[in-house]
Amino acid sequence: AQTVTQSQPEMSVQEAETVTLSCTYDTSESDYYLFWYKQPPSRQMILVIRQEAYKQQNATENRFSVNFQKAAKSFSLKISDSQLGDAAMYFCAFGNEKLTFGTGTRLTIIP
Amino acid sequence: DAGVIQSPRHEVTEMGQEVTLRCKPISGHDYLFWYRQTMMRGLELLIYFNNNVPIDDSGMPEDRFSAKMPNASFSTLKIQPSEPRDSAVYFCASSFRNLGETQYFGPGTRLLVL
Repeated sequence: AQTVTQSQPEMSVQEAETVTLSCTYDTSESDYYLFWYKQPPSRQMILVIRQEAYKQQNATENRFSVNFQKAAKSFSLKISDSQLGDAAMYFCAFGNEKLTFGTGTRLTIIP
Repeated sequence: DAGVIQSPRHEVTEMGQEVTLRCKPISGHDYLFWYRQTMMRGLELLIYFNNNVPIDDSGMPEDRFSAKMPNASFSTLKIQPSEPRDSAVYFCASSFRNLGETQYFGPGTRLLVL
């Protein structure tokens, strides 16, 4: 079975600082895709960043970047220059046809 | 461009009643997914369709749940009869060609069964 573990139920960071959210997963497949989604209080699930497992280069999207370690099955999200609007639940997910989601990390931004 | 549209946004019903949730995927997307989100179980995939055909319904909790996709622009998730433990947020998502493509989520339907 495929599993995703987000070991940090809650994180907080000072505004303008950098924070890293961790994610590990388990799969026997070699080809898959990884995602970070953000869920603000509005409940809308919003894509933050996407990574193809066959690519060694880490994905970057403005202030958001990932550290993808395929051998370690680790996929962490780094948020630079944190902003108040980044406050949300963050979900890590991976898969191919079907996505498996982690339990989420609640991120609080301290003004 | 309109995103995934779900209706209703909120539904309150009594145990034993039939509930129908509706979804309109993004135009041109081939895949449609139904998820359920609860505090206890997180986000679970219930069923997904490819070109209107159900591909995997292994996540559907029991026979009380059924889903249809009569055409490329409409899908329903029905619960009959509903039970209090069905209370959750139900999301619909769609993607283009699926394999590795981003799933775009609707705003969700918050269901409360009394």
